[in-house]
Amino acid sequence: GESVGLHLPTLSVQEGDNSIINCAYSNSASDYFIWYKQESGKGPQFIIDIRSNMDKRQGQRVTVLLNKTVKHLSLQIAATQPGDSAVYFCAERRKAAGNKLTFGGGTRVLVKP
Amino acid sequence: KAGVTQTPRYLIKTRGQQVTLSCSPISGHRSVSWYQQTPGQGLQFLFEYFSETQRNKGNFPGRFSGRQFSNSRSEMNVSTLELGDSALYLCASSLELASSTDTQYFGPGTRLTVL
Repeated sequence: GESVGLHLPTLSVQEGDNSIINCAYSNSASDYFIWYKQESGKGPQFIIDIRSNMDKRQGQRVTVLLNKTVKHLSLQIAATQPGDSAVYFCAERRKAAGNKLTFGGGTRVLVKP
Repeated sequence: KAGVTQTPRYLIKTRGQQVTLSCSPISGHRSVSWYQQTPGQGLQFLFEYFSETQRNKGNFPGRFSGRQFSNSRSEMNVSTLELGDSALYLCASSLELASSTDTQYFGPGTRLTVL
């Protein structure tokens, strides 16, 4: 069945360093991938997305890489800041399944001052 | 532009009761999806509505239902509440149904506690 999984449950990062959050997916039919950030007491906040016809996409301080060969997705955060402390979720969507998102378990990022 | 709003933000119910949660999507958004978030199961898809019709449904019992109104606002209902229904219920809206250029935006959620 379809699944989206995360490699690490918690990532501790020194302020100013780069963070890399990994995600594996199993459904080769997935055509759209999203990263969300969730802070305590809030709903998931959209960070960046990437479509299956792309390998890389950059935003402000964030880069998402997609490796379809090994079904792997990663989120890179440059110069991690205290405000980046949150739980990060990857999610995948297949157009055939409408807007249904399948989420990974989440990775907690802790930024040390 | 205002984001997705959900009411109420917090709710406490007892087993056997029923509950209705409300979601107002971003203005102009026509698709509304609902998710349940628990520590044990993570984020799980409940259902999606578009043009007042349920378009997709997750693996939840029939006690979970929803509807969408002509103004795209949506409600979900849970009947005969069980302790395991305690969760954060999240609503997400997007412009269209599964558009390749679309993104889902989430509301703050309704925290439901069943005693």
